[in-house]
Amino acid sequence: SQTIHQWPATLVQPVGSPLSLECTVEGTSNPNLYWYRQAAGRGLQLLFYSVGIGQISSEVPQNLSASRPQDRQFILSSKKLLLSDSGFYLCAWSVREGGYTFGSGTRLTVV
Amino acid sequence: AQSVTQPDIHITVSEGASLELRCNYSYGATPYLFWYVQSPGQGLQLLLKYFSGDTLVQGIKGFEAEFKRSQSSFNLRKPSVHWSDAAEYFCAIQGAQKLVFGQGTRLTINP
Repeated sequence: SQTIHQWPATLVQPVGSPLSLECTVEGTSNPNLYWYRQAAGRGLQLLFYSVGIGQISSEVPQNLSASRPQDRQFILSSKKLLLSDSGFYLCAWSVREGGYTFGSGTRLTVV
Repeated sequence: AQSVTQPDIHITVSEGASLELRCNYSYGATPYLFWYVQSPGQGLQLLLKYFSGDTLVQGIKGFEAEFKRSQSSFNLRKPSVHWSDAAEYFCAIQGAQKLVFGQGTRLTINP
């Protein structure tokens, strides 16, 4: 079956520290992968998406970057976190027009 | 570029009452439309989706949505809400390999 793993579930990081959130997908090949962020009390903002290994499209200029080193692995990173990076981060995958499946999310608090 | 508007930020209804959540979209081609639900602190669960065909779509948990091209709308309905329906609801549109969300509507249920 197709599953998506996202970790950690919660994370508290100091301002200026680095960040690495990982997302992996099982049971499918060559998926489109996505990172979304949901700030407190706000909607879901698309941050990055990838249609293949090494292919990253950025939707919003910001303090974050993404990488896809393997077909089913998508990583969200930052060299130095800002307070404004706090939020709920969701990874998702899709296969063509087959709809989207979301991970359980990572709640990041930058202090 | 595609966009979605959910005009109502917060809606309160009584348990057993009917519900309609509004969603308007903007897209130059035939849209793929989705409704997701998010319980507090949780990821996203797909309620229903519209790709083509019958404009009245049935989903899980007794929800349905109607696609109206002339009004650029995809409103979500339920004839009788339950206390467990209290959550955040997101309308989304897929186009150009990415899924774009509305700002969400928070649903509160009065006993």
